Amino acid sequence: GAGVSQTPSNKVTEKGKYVELRCDPISGHTALYWYRQSLGQGPEFLIYFQGTGAADDSGLPNDRFFAVRPEGSVSTLKIQRTERGDSAVYLCASSSGVNTGELFFGEGSRLTVL
Amino acid sequence: AQRVTQPEKLLSVFKGAPVELKCNYSYSGSPELFWYVQYSRQRLQLLLRHISRESIKGFTADLNKGETSFHLKKPFAQEEDSAMYYCALLAFNRDDKIIFGKGTRLHILP
Repeated sequence: GAGVSQTPSNKVTEKGKYVELRCDPISGHTALYWYRQSLGQGPEFLIYFQGTGAADDSGLPNDRFFAVRPEGSVSTLKIQRTERGDSAVYLCASSSGVNTGELFFGEGSRLTVL
Repeated sequence: AQRVTQPEKLLSVFKGAPVELKCNYSYSGSPELFWYVQYSRQRLQLLLRHISRESIKGFTADLNKGETSFHLKKPFAQEEDSAMYYCALLAFNRDDKIIFGKGTRLHILP
């Protein structure tokens, strides 16, 4: 299929470990978004990219979180020194451009920090 | 800062009855509003946007700037409407990010 792909679908790690979550957007989509969704909550904005650059990273909770998109396609969300409070579903979405409003979501990566 | 509020976590409606999912927003500029839906075991997907003024699966939503609301409505609920519904706002030409409400679970009773 040509949808947004996220890996891994599930990740269990121990407190203090480093984690990488990958997102492969729809081919040709220039905008890419990361959201975090905790139980019972809506998607919480983290960061979005237009091309290779982070256009808005105001939602990253602290400096343990970092995201890259070096070639303007695949993106990796990196979390250092994970904490139990980081446990959530991390959603990636892509769009054909900024301001279209139509986001195509992946199935998410469920992160559990023990 | 912009904010989206969905006051109901759960809404139960009998099949055939009207549905109204509430959404209020806070934004000083001119927003673009959307409804997203997540059916069981499916991805989050766009249902409709206010700018297109269309009806999707029988749902409509009108942007009321005076009341800062964008309620989602359907005259006759169907069982397949059971899902999580999220209202979302795009702060057009400002932050350019899309923020979501906490969602309302719609449960259609047989």
